[in-house]
Amino acid sequence: DADVTQTPRNRITKTGKRIMLECSQTKGHDRMYWYRQDPGLGLRLIYYSFDVKDINKGEISDGYSVSRQAQAKFSLSLESAIPNQTALYFCATSPPGQGFEQFFGPGTRLTVL
Amino acid sequence: RKEVEQDPGPFNVPEGATVAFNCTYSNSASQSFFWYRQDCRKEPKLLMSVYSSGNEDGRFTAQLNRASQYISLLIRDSKLSDSATYLCVVEGGTGTYKYIFGTGTRLKVLA
Repeated sequence: DADVTQTPRNRITKTGKRIMLECSQTKGHDRMYWYRQDPGLGLRLIYYSFDVKDINKGEISDGYSVSRQAQAKFSLSLESAIPNQTALYFCATSPPGQGFEQFFGPGTRLTVL
Repeated sequence: RKEVEQDPGPFNVPEGATVAFNCTYSNSASQSFFWYRQDCRKEPKLLMSVYSSGNEDGRFTAQLNRASQYISLLIRDSKLSDSATYLCVVEGGTGTYKYIFGTGTRLKVLA
């Protein structure tokens, strides 16, 4: 079984709809991250959480919100989706401290029409 | 200036060739450095961490030059299966634990 899972894997929605992307991990890591990836722009950090009570904005948090329901679960919400939020979204985890690799989920491909 | 810069490529090389990628970073306080591999539409996966002394894993060698603020990845004896995008990742400077990703360098190994 995958250590980091994301649901849904693909989603097509319309402008103005509320969307939730979910991420679960079995690695026991405290740190979790949400990124989006767009062609030519690389991965950009949306939000990150170092534990259940610690949530921080990344470089592109506008239009997004998150919820850390438990150590293992970190959800990303688009309150009112817009077309320029069409992207590939990745959840990732890492152990605490510096110098550790991140482990990524398989990604969610979101299309906003 | 971008925090992490890579040549996007693509690098098209024949099987068996040696290919090298460079990546520059702007924050001199950065502490940790990585190369990730990403296949088309898949998640990034760690290829190797990059240490000050350099490190080698089979056909792959990574080096760090702190004075010039760049890291490199050398792939020897390229295989078709090495075709992918290689992401340079820099862990932020003192007091921050954010990972900054380059946009990636595309490699295509040709038969």
